[in-house]
Amino acid sequence: NAGVMQNPRHLVRRRGQEARLRCSPMKGHSHVYWYRQLPEEGLKFMVYLQKENIIDESGMPKERFSAEFPKEGPSILRIQQVVRGDSAAYFCASSPLRQGVTDTQYFGPGTRLTVL
Amino acid sequence: AQKITQTQPGMFVQEKEAVTLDCTYDTSDPSYGLFWYKQPSSGEMIFLIYQGSYDQQNATEGRYSLNFQKARKSANLVISASQLGDSAMYFCAHLDSGYSTLTFGKGTMLLVSP
Repeated sequence: NAGVMQNPRHLVRRRGQEARLRCSPMKGHSHVYWYRQLPEEGLKFMVYLQKENIIDESGMPKERFSAEFPKEGPSILRIQQVVRGDSAAYFCASSPLRQGVTDTQYFGPGTRLTVL
Repeated sequence: AQKITQTQPGMFVQEKEAVTLDCTYDTSDPSYGLFWYKQPSSGEMIFLIYQGSYDQQNATEGRYSLNFQKARKSANLVISASQLGDSAMYFCAHLDSGYSTLTFGKGTMLLVSP
């Protein structure tokens, strides 16, 4: 029973390049969340998706960042023209059908993005 | 907006002793959930325990228990019989019924010594 999968685990990009982070939710989970963790900080919400729908992107920067969760395949967080400030750990979490405040989000191992 | 406060940046405990990690929250929503996650040095986020605002009893999961005091808006994590492998960052998180996403505290670093 595989957990949430994220790849790559580590990603190094130069300023101006694009970063693509992938997340496969747990089997049976249809809700995906992306969080960002800056050094020595807690996780900050970025975006919440269901299959083919963005439900809440209130935590995502308006420019350069985008996310999708297609009908087939993993969820993708895409960062265009990366800058040094994008260096962080990006976590994906998934949960089963929405039932309210009892939903537990299970996290993947994270992708550590380093921008040179 | 929800707010989660973890006032202890770091805690030390000896092996086999119990330790309490503090967490307070601020919400006006009567229905909410509280979660604790562990982040070891390897970096992954591990779910530990959940408490619902309407739960009558404090949550327990093995050596983890949650000291839930609703009137004080606190949800402290108690780890009994600490082990060396408990050394990690611990995050408290909150979920309001009107939201889909977790709000995290800044975390407490726990170090367990032999």
